[in-house]
Amino acid sequence: EVQLVETGGGLIQPGGSLRVSCAASGFSVTSKYMTWVRQAPGKGLEWVSAIYTGGSTYYAESVKGRFTISRDNSKNTLYLEMNSLRVEDTAVYYCAGGEGYMDVWGKGTTVTVSS
Amino acid sequence: DIQMTQSPSTLSASVGDRVTITCRASQSISSWLAWYQQKPGKAPKLLIYKASSLENGVPSRFSGSASGTEFTLTIASLQPDDFATYYCQQYNTYWWTFGQGTKVEI
Repeated sequence: EVQLVETGGGLIQPGGSLRVSCAASGFSVTSKYMTWVRQAPGKGLEWVSAIYTGGSTYYAESVKGRFTISRDNSKNTLYLEMNSLRVEDTAVYYCAGGEGYMDVWGKGTTVTVSS
Repeated sequence: DIQMTQSPSTLSASVGDRVTITCRASQSISSWLAWYQQKPGKAPKLLIYKASSLENGVPSRFSGSASGTEFTLTIASLQPDDFATYYCQQYNTYWWTFGQGTKVEI
């Protein structure tokens, strides 16, 4: 069964750092474009970052320079390292995979940035 | 960045109605557009990709079409399970963007 499971969310103070993970099963994270999408409370979906099959990475302007996407092929896991966190980064973070469109989604992990 | 403008933001409908949601791109995205359905507290679910291709397992009452930079999601006969929020997403460039969402309510 194809599945994505996110972990690592939590409560963090502004300016802090956090790494969220996404473990894949049923397929390889190198075989799909893997992405992070977030959703602030009561708001719509926001694309955050993507890593292509060849390893190229891309970021939304709102997180560029603060967030880093990566993957560990041996663990079949996707990561999002988040630094200099802001209150406005508070959201449910979903990992997803596909070919531009996203046909596999995790259930999400909640990141709350608050003092 | 390519902006995706979705309309309406909210749509009131009844079971059996034909429903149409529109998404307009700020520049050409060819057919690189997807539609998703999201229910409260759940992850989005892919419905349509490449503007008009139906994802496996999605009921045939859902369809997508395109005309230039305007894209349409149609639900032929609204069912109780279809009350949800719908998003379009472009993947023409390296920086993907979503529309603001359309909530379909009773």
